[in-house]
Amino acid sequence: AQSVTQLGSHVSVSEGALVLLRCNYSSSVPPYLFWYVQYPNQGLQLLLKYTTGATLVKGINGFEAEFKKSETSFHLTKPSAHMSDAAEYFCAVTVAGGTSYGKLTFGQGTILTVHP
Amino acid sequence: GAVVSQHPSWVICKSGTSVKIECRSLDFQATTMFWYRQFPKQSLMLMATSNEGSKATYEQGVEKDKFLINHASLTLSTLTVTSAHPEDSSFYICSARAGGVYEQYFGPGTRLTVT
Repeated sequence: AQSVTQLGSHVSVSEGALVLLRCNYSSSVPPYLFWYVQYPNQGLQLLLKYTTGATLVKGINGFEAEFKKSETSFHLTKPSAHMSDAAEYFCAVTVAGGTSYGKLTFGQGTILTVHP
Repeated sequence: GAVVSQHPSWVICKSGTSVKIECRSLDFQATTMFWYRQFPKQSLMLMATSNEGSKATYEQGVEKDKFLINHASLTLSTLTVTSAHPEDSSFYICSARAGGVYEQYFGPGTRLTVT
């Protein structure tokens, strides 16, 4: 079975500062990893994904994440925070086969607050 | 592309009644749809997986007779909460996945309040 741990349920940054949201995963087989963003009372929007290939993936709104197999991590970063980035972010993992094929396992979420 | 809609966006019903929530993929064919439940300030909990034309697969602890799922076409899945009770009040979110890809596209969610 897969699992995801997001370190820090709340992260607060100043506008223009670096955003770093941490995600560690556990999987016995190669994982496929995702970051989603959720605004209040809305569904989830895909920010970026890692399946195979390049370990540094770029997503929408200036976000990027790096898959580090040795550290079992997939941290999300953005060089300069914007007020509109304030939302809840979820890291998720799935695998290519087995009984969990295609099912997403989510982390607990990290609420990002951006101060002016 | 990859737009998923849900209807209704919010619903209030009385205890003991049934409520149907629709999930539609608007611009792609969804071979698989997923239903999640999200409590306030919590993550998403997968309730069930449905494949077009077959019975849904429910996660452990989810009552299949209470949460009826139908995936009658490649663009529509429905979740019916039967004999709803106040503890069923929650935010229900569906997602859809096209065949051969791994990312899921999420609907905007349905807020259910049972009084």
